[in-house]
Amino acid sequence: GAVVSQHPSRVICKSGTSVKIECRSLDFQATTMFWYRQFPKKSLMLMATSNEGSKATYEQGVEKDKFLINHASLTLSTLTVTSAHPEDSSFYICSARDGQGHTEAFFGQGTRLTVV
Amino acid sequence: GQQLNQSPQSMFIQEGEDVSMNCTSSSIFNTWLWYKQDPGEGPVLLIALYKAGELTSNGRLTAQFGITRKDSFLNISASIPSDVGIYFCAGRSTGNQFYFGTGTSLTVIP
Repeated sequence: GAVVSQHPSRVICKSGTSVKIECRSLDFQATTMFWYRQFPKKSLMLMATSNEGSKATYEQGVEKDKFLINHASLTLSTLTVTSAHPEDSSFYICSARDGQGHTEAFFGQGTRLTVV
Repeated sequence: GQQLNQSPQSMFIQEGEDVSMNCTSSSIFNTWLWYKQDPGEGPVLLIALYKAGELTSNGRLTAQFGITRKDSFLNISASIPSDVGIYFCAGRSTGNQFYFGTGTSLTVIP
């Protein structure tokens, strides 16, 4: 399957700082990328969908000013958690789909964010 | 966002036993996908289904796309310890949106 790389895999930051998480499609062009949040032993909760070159579409209840998403190229999307607080601590996962009509979504390895 | 109904929520089985889990939706889907997630990792695609009634195997895994297009099941035969993890179903709606199941946590007892 296609490869999606997410970086960093773990990050610890101080409360009030911002953290950027990168999601890259390594061997295909991702016209659509998805960002998820996952709490321990829970399912994936979709936060937002981003299409290359346009603004992200956020799910209800997700603050767009808090979770900034940029999808500036066909191989890179970034999620920036601004002014992080301990309650933002979670596992964040991206996934990507290509624009060739394939319907599978391939996932990154996830990023464990801990805000102290 | 919407989530699919996935059951069972958790399973504890003996090594060698078969496993079955399923997902249901209130709306029609065009694609069903099954993923496995290991702790601290992202989900990995196991099987993709594209047509109603389709039955697809991947080694000891078999999945089917329900005839009504509102459900799918995943079977694992002769389970082994490395099958441990959380299994998620996902569906793509006619509106081209993805929805995930609530997950099935599988524990295999040697």
